[in-house]
Amino acid sequence: DGGITQSPKYLFRKEGQNVTLSCEQNLNHDAMYWYRQDPGQGLRLIYYSQIVNDFQKGDIAEGYSVSREKKESFPLTVTSAQKNPTAFYLCASSIDGGPGNQPQHFGDGTRLSIL
Amino acid sequence: EDKVVQSPLSLVVHEGDTVTLNCSYEVTNFRSLLWYKQEKKAPTFLFMLTSSGIEKKSGRLSSILDKKELFSILNITATQTGDSAIYLCAVGGLDRNTGGFKTIFGAGTRLFVKA
Repeated sequence: DGGITQSPKYLFRKEGQNVTLSCEQNLNHDAMYWYRQDPGQGLRLIYYSQIVNDFQKGDIAEGYSVSREKKESFPLTVTSAQKNPTAFYLCASSIDGGPGNQPQHFGDGTRLSIL
Repeated sequence: EDKVVQSPLSLVVHEGDTVTLNCSYEVTNFRSLLWYKQEKKAPTFLFMLTSSGIEKKSGRLSSILDKKELFSILNITATQTGDSAIYLCAVGGLDRNTGGFKTIFGAGTRLFVKA
């Protein structure tokens, strides 16, 4: 079955520590996205990538970094510069790089908490 | 500033009731409006609307877009407990920073259907 796999499901971070969230898709989609979801708020875009080896900052990119070395993979690193990292992180993909026009497929999310 | 506003934020109904969820938007160079259902983890795609006045229907769910008044509604008839979820509205438009396109999510409507 095709889909998006995020891991881990739960992650705890200590102060000053960088952590990396994994996102893998086997849908052969060109575009991939990372969102952050906080209680009572919608999804906010962190980074997106329309094609391999290229990515763009979203609305809240500060304190985060990404890479897109393979079509299937779009890992997100939450750095120590992100002062409020506790949130639910969702990865998504869509067929092509026109994010304004294509439905997105989502993974099951990673819940990150700070110790 | 681009925004997507959903109302109500939360709603409690009894099984069999009909509900209407609202989504209004102000987005540069509108391309599409999408509805998603989020139960526990991954949002799942419901509808994509690009043209005014054309109703999209799937079972007990239907949706319509008004591009003149900049809003959409999602109707659910004969609600069931399985309809309990967060319903997210997302609008695709122009990303002023990159010249590409992006999707902006509303905060969601949390629907709870009582048996």
